[in-house]
Amino acid sequence: KQEVTQIPAALSVPEGENLVLNCSFTDSAIYNLQWFRQDPGKGLTSLLLIQSSQREQTSGRLNASLDKSSGRSTLYIAASQPGDSATYLCAVLSSGYALNFGKGTSLLVTP
Amino acid sequence: GAVVSQHPSRVICKSGTSVKIECRSLDFQATTMFWYRQFPKQSLMLMATSNEGSKATYEQGVEKDKFLINHASLTLSTLTVTSAHPEDSSFYICSAMGGYTFGSGTRLTVV
Repeated sequence: KQEVTQIPAALSVPEGENLVLNCSFTDSAIYNLQWFRQDPGKGLTSLLLIQSSQREQTSGRLNASLDKSSGRSTLYIAASQPGDSATYLCAVLSSGYALNFGKGTSLLVTP
Repeated sequence: GAVVSQHPSRVICKSGTSVKIECRSLDFQATTMFWYRQFPKQSLMLMATSNEGSKATYEQGVEKDKFLINHASLTLSTLTVTSAHPEDSSFYICSAMGGYTFGSGTRLTVV
């Protein structure tokens, strides 16, 4: 069974810092990996999707990498802003077409 | 783009009552809908998979008689929490298209 782990569980940084969120998964047979943002009490916002054949995806200040063979992905956030404060979820799509989520990293960016 | 509309966004009900959550695909036909729930500070966990015109598939540990899923049309899937209890209080969210689109979620509080 696919297990997804995110480290750290929580992170607090001052505004302007670059930061890295980590995600690992146990079964490398995935179709894709997604990074989501979840604001308190809200739904999910898809940030980046990396297909299994890709190594990375970029959107604005966000860059996500995927190393399928080692079962790892990182989300890099450049020049963090207070508005980036949220929980970031990593999810992999493998067999069955349902996503397996990590527990998330709770990010707080202080002014 | 593909949009899933989920209602209600928030509901408070008394213990012992039933609550229905609806997910509608607005601009596409959703033959499959995934239902997830998220307890505080936990990850989203798949509860069940509904397929239009057939019985839902429930994950291990999810009571099928308590969480009734109906997927009678290609644009509507419903989750009914029957005889709700405080331990059912959670965030419920639906997903279609293999995780590419999510509803906005329903925060259920049972008092």
